[in-house]
Amino acid sequence: RKEVEQDPGPFNVPEGATVAFNCTYSNSASQSFFWYRQDCRKEPKLLMSVYSSGNEDGRFTAQLNRASQYISLLIRDSKLSDSATYLCVVNRGDDKIIFGKGTRLHILP
Amino acid sequence: EAQVTQNPRYLITVTGKKLTVTCSQNMNHEYMSWYRQDPGLGLRQIYYSMNVEVTDKGDVPEGYKVSRKEKRNFPLILESPSPNQTSLYFCASSPKTGGPGPLHFGNGTRLTVT
Repeated sequence: RKEVEQDPGPFNVPEGATVAFNCTYSNSASQSFFWYRQDCRKEPKLLMSVYSSGNEDGRFTAQLNRASQYISLLIRDSKLSDSATYLCVVNRGDDKIIFGKGTRLHILP
Repeated sequence: EAQVTQNPRYLITVTGKKLTVTCSQNMNHEYMSWYRQDPGLGLRQIYYSMNVEVTDKGDVPEGYKVSRKEKRNFPLILESPSPNQTSLYFCASSPKTGGPGPLHFGNGTRLTVT
């Protein structure tokens, strides 16, 4: 089983729709969790950290379920500018940071 | 401006010719790391450093060396590059409060080895 697993997509979604990404991780000792966004040929940029209580930043909501070892990201009212690859990232607890392979999102006008 | 600076942005070289990719951060971060990104494989960690004079292997360290003589710099060295090291490389740094936190990335170095 891969350490951090994501659906590679691509997700082709009309503008204004709600999109949900899921991610699972295999190491139960993992300590911290993040979602990054990466535009084509650019560096990844932090979108948001993920907390057990769930957290929201504008149109973006992240959730963590430690029991199921599952992380999610919800984007509401999607915009054309949300088109990118979304990376699930896990600090494994031994100072190693593991990246999922990313889910590509295309927002369609 | 807080940033991670990598150089060069693009590099084309030949097999066996030693090269160094520099990485510098101005945020006083303890943690620094190198990644390579290849189509279908995602970002894979090459080496990381928790602090000055402390370096550890990541998942794909073969063919690479690093050093951390100062807190701000973390160069990646390819002693004898080979075509399978053609890739997009990213340096990243993070404060280490309770373990590496959110990573700040450099702009990337696109390396081609012929």
